[in-house]
Amino acid sequence: NAGVTQTPKFQVLKTGQSMTLQCAQDMNHNSMYWYRQDPGMGLRLIYYSASEGTTDKGEVPNGYNVSRLNKREFSLRLESAAPSQTSVYFCASSEATQRNTIYFGEGSWLTVV
Amino acid sequence: KQEVTQIPAALSVPEGENLVLNCSFTDSAIYNLQWFRQDPGKGLTSLLLIQSSQREQTSGRLNASLDKSSGRSTLYIAASQPGDSATYLCAVDTDKLIFGTGTRLQVFP
Repeated sequence: NAGVTQTPKFQVLKTGQSMTLQCAQDMNHNSMYWYRQDPGMGLRLIYYSASEGTTDKGEVPNGYNVSRLNKREFSLRLESAAPSQTSVYFCASSEATQRNTIYFGEGSWLTVV
Repeated sequence: KQEVTQIPAALSVPEGENLVLNCSFTDSAIYNLQWFRQDPGKGLTSLLLIQSSQREQTSGRLNASLDKSSGRSTLYIAASQPGDSATYLCAVDTDKLIFGTGTRLQVFP
């Protein structure tokens, strides 16, 4: 039961460095999402992909880029990391963008120093 | 702008109690409402999904209700157990999921 798999689990970056968070789902879902979770802020949507070949901005897209590589994979890239991007990042997927149960990965803990 | 609020932020109860977690939202134009459980250091697990046309959903000891007109949902946990200790989040589905900040529940033996 792999579900949604994201890597890496933990990462420490220096300010200005770049990195990519990888996400893959094995449930043949059309829609995929990237969220960040910060204390007292709840989960906030960064980017989402309603279907293969499409991506859209969420609530907090600045400083991030995404790629929907194929139906299974959706990556999140930080081009020039900033301390404000220290957070826990969650990838998720669902059959469609609305009216469906959403499944989350285990999270990626990112610290930018 | 849709806002989702969960009260209380934290709750500590003895084992065996029946308890209610609250979720309120400001815009009733939603497709559905979902309740999630999050264990420390883990992702979110979907517990219940209530479509906007439904009033409640049940799964085992969990029952979630939805009153769209008043912008409220409750998650009822019957006969709580220490294993229920976790953070519970609700989220409303407009064209995107909007999450509350969660209620951290501790059930002690």
